[in-house]
Amino acid sequence: AQSVSQHNHHVILSEAASLELGCNYSYGGTVNLFWYVQYPGQHLQLLLKYFSGDPLVKGIKGFEAEFIKSKFSFNLRKPSVQWSDTAEYFCAVTTPLVFGKGTRLSVIA
Amino acid sequence: NAGVMQNPRHLVRRRGQEARLRCSPMKGHSHVYWYRQLPEEGLKFMVYLQKENIIDESGMPKERFSAEFPKEGPSILRIQQVVRGDSAAYFCASSPPSAANYGYTFGSGTRLTVV
Repeated sequence: AQSVSQHNHHVILSEAASLELGCNYSYGGTVNLFWYVQYPGQHLQLLLKYFSGDPLVKGIKGFEAEFIKSKFSFNLRKPSVQWSDTAEYFCAVTTPLVFGKGTRLSVIA
Repeated sequence: NAGVMQNPRHLVRRRGQEARLRCSPMKGHSHVYWYRQLPEEGLKFMVYLQKENIIDESGMPKERFSAEFPKEGPSILRIQQVVRGDSAAYFCASSPPSAANYGYTFGSGTRLTVV
């Protein structure tokens, strides 16, 4: 069975700091990988996705993620976070989508 | 093009009552997925349905929970005889049949509170 591990439960950063959220998955076959974001009180929105090809994937709002097959990882990065990035971030793998427990990001001024 | 519509947004039920959660998928989407979100636990897959068929219900509790997606109308997640532990946010997602592996569109969720 697939499983997804997100290493950080809660991350607190100052504005303009760089962000990296870890995600490891357990699945033997071909995977499709996703990062979703959930802003406070809202539904999940797709940040980016990886199916094949270039392992460095660029998403919305300046986020990117790198698929490293040998490490079963799909870490999310952003060079400079903003206060508006405060949200919960979920890594997921298909199918059906299996989610990690999420990482809560708090960005402080 | 309306997104995934869930209603109600908030639902309060007393212990022992029934809760019915509705989900209308995006236009053109025939696959529906239900997830439950508990604090500190992320989203847990419950059930995957296509029109008139349950494809995968491996995440559904064995008792009191059921789901349907009729030929006409929304998908319904039904919880009978609710208990306090059922309090959670329930999210529905949908996808077209050709893109079931390519990510889902989520609704805004129904927040169920059992008192």
